[in-house]
Amino acid sequence: DGGITQSPKYLFRKEGQNVTLSCEQNLNHDAMYWYRQDPGQGLRLIYYSQIVNDFQKGDIAEGYSVSREKKESFPLTVTSAQKNPTAFYLCASSPGQGRGYTFGSGTRLTVV
Amino acid sequence: AQSVSQHNHHVILSEAASLELGCNYSYGGTVNLFWYVQYPGQHLQLLLKYFSGDPLVKGIKGFEAEFIKSKFSFNLRKPSVQWSDTAEYFCAVKDSGYALNFGKGTSLLVTP
Repeated sequence: DGGITQSPKYLFRKEGQNVTLSCEQNLNHDAMYWYRQDPGQGLRLIYYSQIVNDFQKGDIAEGYSVSREKKESFPLTVTSAQKNPTAFYLCASSPGQGRGYTFGSGTRLTVV
Repeated sequence: AQSVSQHNHHVILSEAASLELGCNYSYGGTVNLFWYVQYPGQHLQLLLKYFSGDPLVKGIKGFEAEFIKSKFSFNLRKPSVQWSDTAEYFCAVKDSGYALNFGKGTSLLVTP
């Protein structure tokens, strides 16, 4: 079945460490997105990528980095520069033109 | 930037009560509109979407939404809620940009 796989489901890291969240899709979608979900804040866009080797900052990109070397993969690195990294991170993909978004099951990151 | 407002952050209803969740957006041009639901411990699921045509949209699980262009609104309705509708509901809008903009969400609790 086609879908989006985010791993791991839960992640714990010490403050000051970089951590990379995985997102893989087998839907052949061109566009991929990273959102951050916090209680009472909804989903806020971190980064998005419309095609391979291209990505754009979203509303809250500071302290994060991404790469898009393959169509199927869009990993997100939470760097030590991110002031409040503990959150639920959601990856999504779409074929483009605003249609057919599919979301992964998310990664809950806790930084201690 | 596009803003999406959900009027109610927390709603508590008894089973069989009617539901209406408000959603307003700020963009004046062509939009694609979505309602997503997140059940406890589960990932985001699409309830319904509007791209064009009939402004009254029917979705899964008995939900419907009405697009009123003059009011920049896309309210979600269900005539009779069930305990299993307890979840968080997100309105999302796609304007001329490349990603979905989400509201802050409404937490619905349905009591037996």
